[in-house]
Amino acid sequence: SQTIHQWPATLVQPVGSPLSLECTVEGTSNPNLYWYRQAAGRGLQLLFYSVGIGQISSEVPQNLSASRPQDRQFILSSKKLLLSDSGFYLCAWSEGMIGNTIYFGEGSWLTVV
Amino acid sequence: RKEVEQDPGPFNVPEGATVAFNCTYSNSASQSFFWYRQDCRKEPKLLMSVYSSGNEDGRFTAQLNRASQYISLLIRDSKLSDSATYLCVVSFMDSNYQLIWGAGTKLIIKP
Repeated sequence: SQTIHQWPATLVQPVGSPLSLECTVEGTSNPNLYWYRQAAGRGLQLLFYSVGIGQISSEVPQNLSASRPQDRQFILSSKKLLLSDSGFYLCAWSEGMIGNTIYFGEGSWLTVV
Repeated sequence: RKEVEQDPGPFNVPEGATVAFNCTYSNSASQSFFWYRQDCRKEPKLLMSVYSSGNEDGRFTAQLNRASQYISLLIRDSKLSDSATYLCVVSFMDSNYQLIWGAGTKLIIKP
């Protein structure tokens, strides 16, 4: 069966510091991979998605970036965090067409102070 | 206007009661529909997909009304463990089929 893991689960970072969140998927090949952010009282916001190694699509302009160095690895990064980057970050995967069911990792709570 | 809208609640419902949520979407070029459940500070998990003919999974029934552009979720014989936030999700053809998420409806089941 397929599994997805992301880490770290929680982190507190000062403004201006770098960020790296990592996500890996097991049990599937060539998955679609996603990074979402969830702010309190709002719907999930798609940040990046990838349909293959090295293929990254950005949905929202910001100071974040994403990379997919391996088929089942997706990384979310920032060189300098802003207070507004605080939130719940979720990695997810799906198979086949975009728009199919997606499955989430456990999430990472980021607090920028 | 938001593309996918839900009543944020909370819905406070006694155990054993039936509760229904609606979710409206603004774009007729819709493709896929889902209900997800999210527990406090946890990741969303798929509850059920929503099919054109409607579908049922145990105590849960989902309906789609394309003409009026809404989907619904009915929970019968509610349990304390049903307390969660329920997220409505729609994919739209003109958004490259990406899933668009509602902000969720919070449900609290009381003993």
